[in-house]
Amino acid sequence: DTAVSQTPKYLVTQMGNDKSIKCEQNLGHDTMYWYKQDSKKFLKIMFSYNNKELIINETVPNRFSPKSPDKAHLNLHINSLELGDSAVYFCASSQDMGTRTYNEQFFGPGTRLTVL
Amino acid sequence: GQNIDQPTEMTATEGAIVQINCTYQTSGFNGLFWYQQHAGEAPTFLSYNVLDGLEEKGRFSSFLSRSKGYSYLLLKELQMKDSASYLCAVRDTNDYKLSFGAGTTVTVRA
Repeated sequence: DTAVSQTPKYLVTQMGNDKSIKCEQNLGHDTMYWYKQDSKKFLKIMFSYNNKELIINETVPNRFSPKSPDKAHLNLHINSLELGDSAVYFCASSQDMGTRTYNEQFFGPGTRLTVL
Repeated sequence: GQNIDQPTEMTATEGAIVQINCTYQTSGFNGLFWYQQHAGEAPTFLSYNVLDGLEEKGRFSSFLSRSKGYSYLLLKELQMKDSASYLCAVRDTNDYKLSFGAGTTVTVRA
């Protein structure tokens, strides 16, 4: 009955590798997000998709490419991993973009990425 | 965009009250959220304010003053399980993006 799930939970890899993180939500939400939380615990938006359409694309290196095959899934692919990519990546979802007054975001458990 | 400030750390005793302040600057305000994040876990929603005033939810209350760009989260009757990071987040009216503050780590001591 998990609402927002991510795999894997931990990812340890070498610099230069390519890796993917998967996210799925079973809440029937229209909007999904990827956030990065660095070692200082600062949570920063990377991407947002609404009904499979890219809505928010922050200043993120183009080595990061999100893909939304359907409304319930938003995957994150990272090419040529660098040391600075080490962080916890959170997927989240919300009913819609926030056009309604009450639109909390539900977060997945996070993926701790360590680049060696 | 937003500029969100909150204290880095606070310590309080079990049973006490703690108030976490958050100030923000934004070009378009569309609501303020408070999230709780325990170490190693995901953030979870606590409260939402879009109009001025106090919203109460059990032991937790959140206040907003839009004219002052100010909010606080009040935690009453503190319990050990309230030890966590508390994140203030502001939603922008232009792109509905949620911008988070750096979080306030609250430590509850016996």
